[in-house]
Amino acid sequence: SAVISQKPSRDICQRGTSLTIQCQVDSQVTMMFWYRQQPGQSLTLIATANQGSEATYESGFVIDKFPISRPNLTFSTLTVSNMSPEDSSIYLCSVVWTGGNEQFFGPGTRLTVL
Amino acid sequence: AQKVTQAQTEISVVEKEDVTLDCVYETRDTTYYLFWYKQPPSGELVFLIRRNSFDEQNEISGRYSWNFQKSTSSFNFTITASQVVDSAVYFCAGGTSYGKLTFGQGTILTVHP
Repeated sequence: SAVISQKPSRDICQRGTSLTIQCQVDSQVTMMFWYRQQPGQSLTLIATANQGSEATYESGFVIDKFPISRPNLTFSTLTVSNMSPEDSSIYLCSVVWTGGNEQFFGPGTRLTVL
Repeated sequence: AQKVTQAQTEISVVEKEDVTLDCVYETRDTTYYLFWYKQPPSGELVFLIRRNSFDEQNEISGRYSWNFQKSTSSFNFTITASQVVDSAVYFCAGGTSYGKLTFGQGTILTVHP
């Protein structure tokens, strides 16, 4: 299985600032995704991180708010911009493994916005 | 649009009891993928199983078993002889494209000693 790491593991940020979350995978994967889990809620897909091209966003999420980079097949970043308390969530990186048979999630980044 | 419904919000059992978590996946697509994940108190999401819509064969892995019935769009998960370590939130998820999953609201399972 893929080993996924995220940095930071948690952070407390002030309203109006931005935070960049890093996701590193120990092997090359074709597909990487970013999900959000709001407090006490389920997971929601934010976007697909495409290597070498712009990310594909789901309904309700926009690039200006959640810019994503994916410079290679093992690394991606998600930025949460101009944060407000409503952005307080766990942000998870996810990868599809072995031809789509398994999908793994990173440990998550727990973000609190004051 | 897809929808995942987990009927039970919370389940409480005593150790060694069997417990079944229900999941119904609604989609107009004929080909789709279903998953179960475990989220223990530590917060990480643990992959348990993936099932394709064209494979209705039930699966057993140790104390875990899964029953998929395409006719009712149900993908139920049974833990046999539950243990305290099974206490967690369990998510059912489905999707028609690799990686793009719709999650249910989760079932909080508490196993008491």
